[in-house]
Amino acid sequence: DSGVTQTPKHLITATGQRVTLRCSPRSGDLSVYWYQQSLDQGLQFLIHYYNGEERAKGNILERFSAQQFPDLHSELNLSSLELGDSALYFCASSGLAGTRETQYFGPGTRLLVL
Amino acid sequence: KNQVEQSPQSLIILEGKNCTLQCNYTVSPFSNLRWYKQDTGRGPVSLTIMTFSENTKSNGRYTATLDADTKQSSLHITASQLSDSASYICVVSGGGYNKLIFGAGTRLAVHP
Repeated sequence: DSGVTQTPKHLITATGQRVTLRCSPRSGDLSVYWYQQSLDQGLQFLIHYYNGEERAKGNILERFSAQQFPDLHSELNLSSLELGDSALYFCASSGLAGTRETQYFGPGTRLLVL
Repeated sequence: KNQVEQSPQSLIILEGKNCTLQCNYTVSPFSNLRWYKQDTGRGPVSLTIMTFSENTKSNGRYTATLDADTKQSSLHITASQLSDSASYICVVSGGGYNKLIFGAGTRLAVHP
Protein backbone atom coordinates (compact mmCIF):
# COMPACT_ATOMS: atom_id res chain seq x y z
CA ASP A 1 0.00 0.00 0.00
CA SER A 2 1.60 3.25 -1.21
CA GLY A 3 -0.49 5.51 1.03
CA VAL A 4 -2.01 7.24 -2.01
CA THR A 5 -5.76 6.78 -2.37
CA GLN A 6 -7.88 7.23 -5.46
CA THR A 7 -11.63 7.20 -5.89
CA PRO A 8 -13.59 5.79 -7.51
CA LYS A 9 -11.87 2.53 -8.44
CA HIS A 10 -14.08 2.01 -11.47
CA LEU A 11 -16.19 4.40 -13.49
CA ILE A 12 -18.46 3.66 -16.44
CA THR A 13 -20.00 6.55 -18.32
CA ALA A 14 -21.19 7.59 -21.74
CA THR A 15 -19.62 9.72 -24.43
CA GLY A 16 -20.12 13.44 -23.94
CA GLN A 17 -20.33 13.16 -20.17
CA ARG A 18 -18.12 14.72 -17.49
CA VAL A 19 -16.45 12.89 -14.62
CA THR A 20 -14.25 13.82 -11.67
CA LEU A 21 -11.48 11.61 -10.35
CA ARG A 22 -10.14 12.18 -6.87
CA CYS A 23 -6.71 11.62 -5.37
CA SER A 24 -5.47 11.93 -1.81
CA PRO A 25 -1.67 12.01 -1.54
CA ARG A 26 0.42 10.36 1.13
CA SER A 27 0.39 12.21 4.41
CA GLY A 28 2.83 15.10 4.22
CA ASP A 29 3.38 14.93 0.45
CA LEU A 30 2.99 18.26 -1.34
CA SER A 31 3.22 17.11 -4.96
CA VAL A 32 0.52 15.34 -6.91
CA TYR A 33 0.97 14.00 -10.44
CA TRP A 34 -1.68 12.65 -12.80
CA TYR A 35 -1.06 9.99 -15.44
CA GLN A 36 -3.13 8.26 -18.08
CA GLN A 37 -2.44 4.66 -19.07
CA SER A 38 -4.22 3.27 -22.09
CA LEU A 39 -3.62 -0.12 -23.67
CA ASP A 40 -1.98 1.17 -26.81
CA GLN A 41 0.06 4.05 -25.39
CA GLY A 42 1.47 3.12 -22.01
CA LEU A 43 1.77 5.68 -19.25
CA GLN A 44 1.44 9.34 -20.20
CA PHE A 45 2.21 12.20 -17.85
CA LEU A 46 -0.69 14.65 -17.68
CA ILE A 47 -0.02 17.29 -15.05
CA HIS A 48 1.85 18.06 -11.83
CA TYR A 49 0.69 20.18 -8.88
CA TYR A 50 2.82 21.28 -5.98
CA ASN A 51 1.27 22.76 -2.86
CA GLY A 52 -1.77 23.94 -4.78
CA GLU A 53 0.00 25.37 -7.80
CA GLU A 54 0.42 23.88 -11.25
CA ARG A 55 4.12 23.08 -11.87
CA ALA A 56 4.26 21.17 -15.14
CA LYS A 57 1.98 20.06 -17.93
CA GLY A 58 2.35 17.03 -20.11
CA ASN A 59 0.04 15.62 -22.74
CA ILE A 60 -3.14 16.87 -21.14
CA LEU A 61 -6.07 17.60 -23.43
CA GLU A 62 -7.95 20.89 -23.19
CA ARG A 63 -11.06 18.89 -22.23
CA PHE A 64 -9.22 17.79 -19.08
CA SER A 65 -8.44 19.99 -16.10
CA ALA A 66 -7.08 19.45 -12.63
CA GLN A 67 -6.66 21.26 -9.38
CA GLN A 68 -5.08 20.73 -5.99
CA PHE A 69 -6.97 21.95 -2.95
CA PRO A 70 -5.66 23.51 0.29
CA ASP A 71 -5.86 20.11 2.01
CA LEU A 72 -3.60 18.85 -0.82
CA HIS A 73 -6.04 16.41 -2.33
CA SER A 74 -6.42 16.72 -6.08
CA GLU A 75 -9.16 16.26 -8.62
CA LEU A 76 -8.90 15.50 -12.32
CA ASN A 77 -11.91 16.61 -14.34
CA LEU A 78 -12.57 14.98 -17.68
CA SER A 79 -15.29 16.52 -19.86
CA SER A 80 -16.89 15.85 -23.25
CA LEU A 81 -15.69 12.30 -22.88
CA GLU A 82 -14.79 10.28 -25.95
CA LEU A 83 -14.35 6.54 -26.41
CA GLY A 84 -10.60 7.05 -26.57
CA ASP A 85 -10.55 8.46 -23.06
CA SER A 86 -11.13 4.96 -21.70
CA ALA A 87 -8.01 4.22 -19.68
CA LEU A 88 -6.50 3.76 -16.26
CA TYR A 89 -5.87 7.08 -14.54
CA PHE A 90 -3.19 7.09 -11.88
CA CYS A 91 -2.17 9.76 -9.48
CA ALA A 92 1.14 9.77 -7.69
CA SER A 93 2.52 11.88 -4.88
CA SER A 94 5.93 12.91 -3.67
CA GLY A 95 7.22 14.95 -0.78
CA LEU A 96 8.54 17.88 -2.74
CA ALA A 97 8.68 18.90 -6.39
CA GLY A 98 12.24 17.99 -7.29
CA THR A 99 13.04 15.75 -10.22
CA ARG A 100 14.76 13.22 -7.95
CA GLU A 101 11.73 12.68 -5.77
CA THR A 102 10.34 9.17 -5.59
CA GLN A 103 6.75 9.16 -6.75
CA TYR A 104 4.30 6.87 -4.98
CA PHE A 105 1.45 5.73 -7.17
CA GLY A 106 -2.13 5.14 -6.17
CA PRO A 107 -4.16 2.09 -7.26
CA GLY A 108 -5.71 3.96 -10.18
CA THR A 109 -9.21 4.68 -11.45
CA ARG A 110 -10.37 2.58 -14.38
CA LEU A 111 -12.56 4.68 -16.68
CA LEU A 112 -14.70 3.09 -19.35
CA VAL A 113 -16.48 5.37 -21.80
CA LEU A 114 -19.28 3.67 -23.73
CA LYS B 1 12.23 14.14 -30.18
CA ASN B 2 12.36 12.92 -26.57
CA GLN B 3 11.87 9.17 -26.59
CA VAL B 4 12.43 6.15 -24.39
CA GLU B 5 12.62 2.74 -26.03
CA GLN B 6 12.65 -0.55 -24.18
CA SER B 7 13.55 -4.05 -25.25
CA PRO B 8 12.50 -6.74 -25.39
CA GLN B 9 8.78 -6.04 -25.51
CA SER B 10 8.13 -9.25 -23.60
CA LEU B 11 10.20 -11.97 -21.99
CA ILE B 12 9.57 -15.40 -20.51
CA ILE B 13 12.11 -16.96 -18.14
CA LEU B 14 12.17 -19.85 -15.71
CA GLU B 15 12.12 -19.28 -11.99
CA GLY B 16 15.63 -18.90 -10.58
CA LYS B 17 17.14 -17.59 -13.80
CA ASN B 18 18.60 -14.12 -14.34
CA CYS B 19 17.50 -11.64 -16.97
CA THR B 20 18.41 -8.21 -18.29
CA LEU B 21 16.04 -5.59 -19.64
CA GLN B 22 17.23 -2.74 -21.85
CA CYS B 23 16.31 0.93 -22.11
CA ASN B 24 17.60 3.45 -24.67
CA TYR B 25 16.68 7.11 -24.50
CA THR B 26 17.08 10.29 -26.50
CA VAL B 27 15.81 12.70 -23.84
CA SER B 28 17.65 16.00 -23.54
CA PRO B 29 18.45 17.62 -21.24
CA PHE B 30 18.70 14.58 -18.99
CA SER B 31 17.90 14.76 -15.30
CA ASN B 32 17.48 11.20 -14.06
CA LEU B 33 16.37 7.72 -15.05
CA ARG B 34 13.98 5.54 -13.10
CA TRP B 35 12.88 1.95 -13.29
CA TYR B 36 9.38 1.01 -12.13
CA LYS B 37 7.71 -2.34 -11.61
CA GLN B 38 4.02 -2.50 -12.40
CA ASP B 39 1.84 -5.48 -11.56
CA THR B 40 -1.17 -5.90 -13.82
CA GLY B 41 -3.92 -3.41 -12.94
CA ARG B 42 -1.92 -1.75 -10.18
CA GLY B 43 0.11 1.41 -9.85
CA PRO B 44 3.84 1.38 -10.67
CA VAL B 45 6.30 0.95 -7.83
CA SER B 46 9.68 2.67 -7.94
CA LEU B 47 12.72 0.36 -8.05
CA THR B 48 15.63 2.73 -8.66
CA ILE B 49 16.43 6.34 -9.54
CA MET B 50 19.79 7.28 -11.09
CA THR B 51 21.25 10.63 -11.99
CA PHE B 52 23.88 11.43 -14.60
CA SER B 53 26.78 10.63 -12.28
CA GLU B 54 25.50 7.27 -11.06
CA ASN B 55 26.48 4.14 -12.98
CA THR B 56 24.85 1.48 -10.85
CA LYS B 57 22.04 1.31 -8.32
CA SER B 58 20.78 -1.80 -6.57
CA ASN B 59 17.54 -2.63 -4.83
CA GLY B 60 17.63 -6.18 -3.54
CA ARG B 61 17.74 -8.54 -6.52
CA TYR B 62 17.30 -5.63 -8.94
CA THR B 63 20.39 -3.84 -10.28
CA ALA B 64 20.13 -0.92 -12.66
CA THR B 65 23.02 0.44 -14.70
CA LEU B 66 23.28 3.71 -16.57
CA ASP B 67 25.65 4.74 -19.35
CA ALA B 68 24.96 8.45 -19.88
CA ASP B 69 27.39 8.61 -22.82
CA THR B 70 25.54 6.03 -24.89
CA LYS B 71 22.18 6.92 -23.29
CA GLN B 72 21.49 3.35 -22.31
CA SER B 73 20.29 1.72 -19.13
CA SER B 74 19.68 -1.84 -18.13
CA LEU B 75 17.81 -3.55 -15.32
CA HIS B 76 19.24 -6.88 -14.22
CA ILE B 77 17.09 -9.24 -12.18
CA THR B 78 18.93 -11.95 -10.28
CA ALA B 79 17.50 -15.32 -9.23
CA SER B 80 14.04 -14.51 -10.53
CA GLN B 81 10.93 -15.35 -8.54
CA LEU B 82 7.34 -15.88 -9.64
CA SER B 83 6.46 -12.56 -8.02
CA ASP B 84 8.79 -10.79 -10.47
CA SER B 85 6.19 -11.36 -13.18
CA ALA B 86 5.16 -7.79 -14.07
CA SER B 87 5.82 -4.96 -16.49
CA TYR B 88 9.05 -3.06 -16.01
CA ILE B 89 8.96 0.53 -17.12
CA CYS B 90 11.93 2.79 -17.82
CA VAL B 91 11.21 6.47 -17.21
CA VAL B 92 13.51 9.38 -18.04
CA SER B 93 13.12 12.78 -16.41
CA GLY B 94 14.21 15.63 -18.60
CA GLY B 95 13.31 17.64 -21.67
CA GLY B 96 11.98 20.32 -19.35
CA TYR B 97 11.10 20.79 -15.71
CA ASN B 98 10.06 17.54 -14.12
CA LYS B 99 8.67 16.08 -17.32
CA LEU B 100 8.71 12.31 -17.29
CA ILE B 101 8.97 10.38 -20.52
CA PHE B 102 7.86 6.77 -20.19
CA GLY B 103 8.98 3.75 -22.13
CA ALA B 104 6.37 1.25 -23.28
CA GLY B 105 7.64 -1.31 -20.79
CA THR B 106 8.88 -4.88 -20.91
CA ARG B 107 6.40 -7.52 -19.83
CA LEU B 108 8.21 -10.22 -17.88
CA ALA B 109 6.70 -13.62 -17.13
CA VAL B 110 8.50 -15.94 -14.72
CA HIS B 111 7.40 -19.55 -15.03
CA PRO B 112 7.94 -22.33 -12.48
